[in-house]
Amino acid sequence: SQTIHQWPATLVQPVGSPLSLECTVEGTSNPNLYWYRQAAGRGLQLLFYSVGIGQISSEVPQNLSASRPQDRQFILSSKKLLLSDSGFYLCAWSGGEQPQHFGDGTRLSIL
Amino acid sequence: EDQVTQSPEALRLQEGESSSLNCSYTVSGLRGLFWYRQDPGKGPEFLFTLYSAGEEKEKERLKATLTKKESFLHITAPKPEDSATYLCAVFNQAGTALIFGKGTTLSVSS
Repeated sequence: SQTIHQWPATLVQPVGSPLSLECTVEGTSNPNLYWYRQAAGRGLQLLFYSVGIGQISSEVPQNLSASRPQDRQFILSSKKLLLSDSGFYLCAWSGGEQPQHFGDGTRLSIL
Repeated sequence: EDQVTQSPEALRLQEGESSSLNCSYTVSGLRGLFWYRQDPGKGPEFLFTLYSAGEEKEKERLKATLTKKESFLHITAPKPEDSATYLCAVFNQAGTALIFGKGTTLSVSS
């Protein structure tokens, strides 16, 4: 069966520091991969999605970036965090136009 | 613009008190409507996919239905463990991403 792992579960970072969140999927090949952010009182906002290695589409312009160095690895990064980057970050995978399955998320707090 | 609206924002029920959650959507050419359950501090858990008007899916005390403009999640005789936020989502027109509603937070008390 397929599983998705995200880490870390919780992260506290100062403003201006870099960020790297990692997500890996097991039990499937060539998945579509997604990064979402969920802010308090707001819905899930799609940040990036990828249909293959090195292929990244951005939905929202911001100071975040994503990379897919391997088939089942998806990384969310930032060079300098802003206060507004606080939130709950979720990684998801799917097989084409199938339901997306989510990891347990990373709670990011910016001080 | 593709959009998903869920109502109510919050719903409090007594154990055994049945009710329905609503999800209305505007998207050209529905490619799938999805219901998820999200517990606090966790990622959403997939519940159902509906593809065409008239379709129904059931799982334990939950039943999802679909019309041309909205979907309902019916909860029959809920229990406290059904307390969670329920999210609805549809594919965007391009089929590349899900558009989520803000969710309905359900609280069931015994």
